[in-house]
Amino acid sequence: LAKTTQPISMDSYEGQEVNITCSHNNIATNDYITWYQQFPSQGPRFIIQGYKTKVTNEVASLFIPADRKSSTLSLPRVSLSDTAVYYCLVGDINFGNEKLTFGTGTRLTIIP
Amino acid sequence: NAGVTQTPKFRVLKTGQSMTLLCAQDMNHEYMYWYRQDPGMGLRLIHYSVGEGTTAKGEVPDGYNVSRLKKQNFLLGLESAAPSQTSVYFCASSYSSALQYYEQYFGPGTRLTVT
Repeated sequence: LAKTTQPISMDSYEGQEVNITCSHNNIATNDYITWYQQFPSQGPRFIIQGYKTKVTNEVASLFIPADRKSSTLSLPRVSLSDTAVYYCLVGDINFGNEKLTFGTGTRLTIIP
Repeated sequence: NAGVTQTPKFRVLKTGQSMTLLCAQDMNHEYMYWYRQDPGMGLRLIHYSVGEGTTAKGEVPDGYNVSRLKKQNFLLGLESAAPSQTSVYFCASSYSSALQYYEQYFGPGTRLTVT
């Protein structure tokens, strides 16, 4: 299983763009990259998933360079409600969600 | 749709007591999962189910049992609670096991304290 490394915590001001980078140096050919968000006292929530290049949805963008050894979750114009823990997960598409490992994530704090 | 619901929301047990946590989903999902999350830690998979009547062990199954008698329900049992089982328990479900395209939907969690 590919091991992921994320910053433990980040602070940002409201209205700014926030980029959270995840390192996964031993990512395998069949691995997909998935990000979840967890608000305090709630279960995680799926944000975005990708394999290579760039993926965008209504919540975030995911940038994956050609070597796929890292990925960056980008949150545009954050607000106080974006304060949460963000998890980067790497998993083989040939296996299931049960093989995903949630690390300690990145605790993002938005400052007014 | 209520999504994934968990009962109870909070519980305090004494060491050696037993209890059952109930997870229910109304999305007709085949797959269901039980996780635990300790303070400052990520989620760890306890058990999961790939369909009605089937269960499998996850990363940390010891001390827990599960049952999936109905497709919409997934029960987590603690036969003899220990302080090390103090944690927040999350249930999740997904339409398919395939992580591509089929994300997990999580419940609000059950906070369990064992004294």
